[in-house]
Amino acid sequence: DTAVSQTPKYLVTQMGNDKSIKCEQNLGHDTMYWYKQDSKKFLKIMFSYNNKELIINETVPNRFSPKSPDKAHLNLHINSLELGDSAVYFCASSDWGASSGYTFGSGTRLTVV
Amino acid sequence: EDKVVQSPLSLVVHEGDTVTLNCSYEVTNFRSLLWYKQEKKAPTFLFMLTSSGIEKKSGRLSSILDKKELSSILNITATQTGDSAIYLCAVAAQGGSEKLVFGKGTKLTVNP
Repeated sequence: DTAVSQTPKYLVTQMGNDKSIKCEQNLGHDTMYWYKQDSKKFLKIMFSYNNKELIINETVPNRFSPKSPDKAHLNLHINSLELGDSAVYFCASSDWGASSGYTFGSGTRLTVV
Repeated sequence: EDKVVQSPLSLVVHEGDTVTLNCSYEVTNFRSLLWYKQEKKAPTFLFMLTSSGIEKKSGRLSSILDKKELSSILNITATQTGDSAIYLCAVAAQGGSEKLVFGKGTKLTVNP
């Protein structure tokens, strides 16, 4: 199946822990993104990478570190998790130039307790 | 700062009704406007609009862009319970950073 796949789908963890979310796309897209969706369903960009190069970093705390080993993968590592990090994190990909629309992964629901 | 505003924030209708969802934007170097539908999981793509006045249609859904008014509408005719979802409007702007700026969405509930 051609898709954007994220793992895990659900993540429940304690404050202070470090966790990673993985994302892979097999659509041949050049650009990948991480978006955060809060409890009010507002989607806000966090990072974007184009061909493994960081393009956008939207004033996200340093505790969040994306890593792109190749253009098909974009992982998100979060250190010292806080309660406010609880949200749904969506990975997405597109051809270069977001105006062609994104294909979203199914999301990772992170709950910090 | 780029901004996308959707209205209403929520809407409850009965099956068979027609609804119009609104989206207005303020962005530098507008390139395109996109509509997405989000049910339980990931947003799914509906339309991309780049030219003013040209209606895009898919079944009971249609959308049109007005670049003069910096806005777009999404129409759904003969609504069904399966149309219940959050409808997201997003704008792509030119200029170095490739990203979509999303509105807060309109939550549509269609009751039988």
